Amino acid sequence: EPEVTQTPSHQVTQMGQEVILRCVPISNHLYFYWYRQILGQKVEFLVSFYNNEISEKSEIFDDQFSVERPDGSNFTLKIRSTKLEDSAMYFCARGATTNTGELFFGEGSRLTVL
Amino acid sequence: SQKIEQNSEALNIQEGKTATLTCNYTNYSPAYLQWYRQDPGRGPVFLLLIRENEKEKRKERLKVTFDTTLKQSLFHITASQPADSATYLCALDMNSGYALNFGKGTSLLVTP
Repeated sequence: EPEVTQTPSHQVTQMGQEVILRCVPISNHLYFYWYRQILGQKVEFLVSFYNNEISEKSEIFDDQFSVERPDGSNFTLKIRSTKLEDSAMYFCARGATTNTGELFFGEGSRLTVL
Repeated sequence: SQKIEQNSEALNIQEGKTATLTCNYTNYSPAYLQWYRQDPGRGPVFLLLIRENEKEKRKERLKVTFDTTLKQSLFHITASQPADSATYLCALDMNSGYALNFGKGTSLLVTP
């Protein structure tokens, strides 16, 4: 099954700046997810998005984060005021078309906060 | 709290042998367990899903077992090849929705 396309592949930003990461599905899906992976650590769940609403979110997903699907196609993760510890790979994923539990990940966006 | 434990040390095996990776979990009653492959700098790639009522699942050279009594899954790669070298992640559903909780992964190195 096709995955999702993520942009940018790498972004460098200054601490305190806002960052928007984008995810574009190949075709229409209902379930989307954002995960992050700090270098050398495990893949961590941030938020799930179903039918244009947040379905679940983790403790990591605080007020600094937000998700949107502004035009019904792109799916974005916004980090309002970046911190050094936000440096990580951010992965967008979509659920299987059959909703059987598998996730299909994009190639990720590497965020470096200086 | 819910925990997923995978062999923290890298597994080095010779080409042609069978690789066996372990995933143990605590404080979970998962409906299913999944295995993913992750190459450096890339996103995880789905490999296999096994449900709580299934004991074993196979796909080509891959085999997964799931023992809900032991709270353990074993992931086998038979006739391993250098191209199988990667980190393998175990993932469990979070008992709500379809979000997954991942283990830290086990690095596998297959040498010729």
